Amino acid sequence: DTGVSQNPRHKITKRGQNVTFRCDPISEHNRLYWYRQTLGQGPEFLTYFQNEAQLEKSRLLSDRFSAERPKGSFSTLEIQRTEQGDSAMYLCASSPVSRLYGYTFGSGTRLTVV
Amino acid sequence: DQQVKQNSPSLSVQEGRISILNCDYTNSMFDYFLWYKKYPAEGPTFLISISSIKDKNEDGRFTVFLNKSAKHLSLHIVPSQPGDSAVYFCAASAGTASKLTFGTGTRLQVTL
Repeated sequence: DTGVSQNPRHKITKRGQNVTFRCDPISEHNRLYWYRQTLGQGPEFLTYFQNEAQLEKSRLLSDRFSAERPKGSFSTLEIQRTEQGDSAMYLCASSPVSRLYGYTFGSGTRLTVV
Repeated sequence: DQQVKQNSPSLSVQEGRISILNCDYTNSMFDYFLWYKKYPAEGPTFLISISSIKDKNEDGRFTVFLNKSAKHLSLHIVPSQPGDSAVYFCAASAGTASKLTFGTGTRLQVTL
């Protein structure tokens, strides 16, 4: 197993465009998380899935953001009508149901909105 | 409001000495705490955790101490090595909640 994979690694987009990121978790992990990290801050929770069910969404996740995890495997995070404030590192992580061992994070997708 | 605080943005320690990274929290519902290490251009890596029923957990060179009454935890690294140079994040979770609340991180530099 190669860990959590995120694509693309970098994305530059013009304000107002839509972007989609993909996350492939560790195959035996039921839970998948999306976090966002801006400069000088720690990761901030956006949403998480257990299998294909989206169980929690942060208030940070405006209606321009949508996440899916069809069939409980990979996940996508889409941002519509991007704004400059969306520029950040978007981190995906996965874990087994037990929280005892922490998450395994991917390397992230760095989004720059110009 | 910042529920998990790491008040030292940076720390420099000589190789072989002890590194002590501190973290404070305000939410009394937090009952599980974790430390993550992050290198540039990589995602955070889980390091060590502690449940609120314990006050100490040790794993090799890494020890986490929890003081519930003070709502404070610390990570001790002994002895510090140059490869430990990274940003360290403290994180916490509450009850059955799966999400983590992270601090802002402390950049540790271990010098030769």
